[in-house]
Amino acid sequence: AAGVIQSPRHLIKEKRETATLKCYPIPRHDTVYWYQQGPGQDPQFLISFYEKMQSDKGSIPDRFSAQQFSDYHSELNMSSLELGDSALYFCASSISTSIASMNTEAFFGQGTRLTVV
Amino acid sequence: DAKTTQPTSMDCAEGRAANLPCNHSTISGNEYVYWYRQIHSQGPQYIIHGLKNNETNEMASLIITEDRKSSTLILPHATLRDTAVYYCIDNYGQNFVFGPGTRLSVLP
Repeated sequence: AAGVIQSPRHLIKEKRETATLKCYPIPRHDTVYWYQQGPGQDPQFLISFYEKMQSDKGSIPDRFSAQQFSDYHSELNMSSLELGDSALYFCASSISTSIASMNTEAFFGQGTRLTVV
Repeated sequence: DAKTTQPTSMDCAEGRAANLPCNHSTISGNEYVYWYRQIHSQGPQYIIHGLKNNETNEMASLIITEDRKSSTLILPHATLRDTAVYYCIDNYGQNFVFGPGTRLSVLP
């Protein structure tokens, strides 16, 4: 079965550079979530999109932005990178159900490991 | 912050059932209980979810108490590959908030 695809899998950037992470959701999934997981930490929610509109926002720094495109893939743009941005970045996708049945599970990709040096 | 509480760690012998408890005393009536696991830096893997009835799939069983304030994830025959951090999350159509989870070690 198709899964969530993230690219690149590994990325090394220098301080103050920019990075773009990409996420391709499972076909027919219309919701995308982004998470950040620092070393030894639990995944932290950054932002989510439903039908190309931002649906929820978590602890995403102002230096980061994201969007969901018409084909439902999403990109996380990170500028002025700092050493503390080094982390695993996960994308997840889900398919919305009727409002009366909000019990849809999300499936995660294998992540992008970003290292800022 | 996560609204669930779980033991920090547990051990289980290979081939035995692993029973992972979770308290979610503040769960609201329309929130589901989800279980995910993360195997060493891989993406979190969905296991199972339920509202109030017990659920079973090919991976695990989920037992939810009648008052819905707690639940137990059961891996019927744990293998070494089940060693992971297990997260219990209550959610209703929003983002999934990961708490500390339970680090399950399956021992040979």
